[in-house]
Amino acid sequence: DVKVTQSSRYLVKRTGEKVFLECVQDMDHENMFWYRQDPGLGLRLIYFSYDVKMKEKGDIPEGYSVSREKKERFSLILESASTNQTSMYLCASRFDRGEQYFGPGTRLTVT
Amino acid sequence: QQPVQSPQAVILREGEDAVINCSSSKALYSVHWYRQKHGEAPVFLMILLKGGEQKGHDKISASFNEKKQQSSLYLTASQLSYSGTYFCGTGSNDYKLSFGAGTTVTVRA
Repeated sequence: DVKVTQSSRYLVKRTGEKVFLECVQDMDHENMFWYRQDPGLGLRLIYFSYDVKMKEKGDIPEGYSVSREKKERFSLILESASTNQTSMYLCASRFDRGEQYFGPGTRLTVT
Repeated sequence: QQPVQSPQAVILREGEDAVINCSSSKALYSVHWYRQKHGEAPVFLMILLKGGEQKGHDKISASFNEKKQQSSLYLTASQLSYSGTYFCGTGSNDYKLSFGAGTTVTVRA
């Protein structure tokens, strides 16, 4: 079974803090993704990575950065958290153009 | 750019049918369909590649019209377990998937 895990299910941070969200997959997938999910807006792509140290911006990259130093791990970084970044964050991975596997999500609240 | 899904929500009684539509303004290579139950991660249902094929998963099937850049998901003889939010994900010539806003399906006994 493909497994995508995320470091936290729930996270509460203060405005201005630097926040790290970690994602690990165990199926040797080249492609990894970070989405945020908000009611009525669906899943919006923040960043994706198609190889170690390679990344591309998605539809809403502003205020976020990513890091992929190892194939199995993809980190999302909020440089200075703001209240409008309160959301559910979902990590996903896939092999080539096949089905995408999602992690359980991290619900981030920025106060 | 996100694909557009319709309707936003649908309420069904067990045994009824429903259609969820997904359209994109971009040329598509593939369409994926996922279902998400409350508090859970989205789960893959099926993928359709360009070629106009139709696929099925139990009594859930889908079609893909690449010329119109549209896909439809068909829920036939709905069951209580079909309740959830359905997302279409569209892929072009790269590895990104853009998802629609979702369609919430409620099946009542």
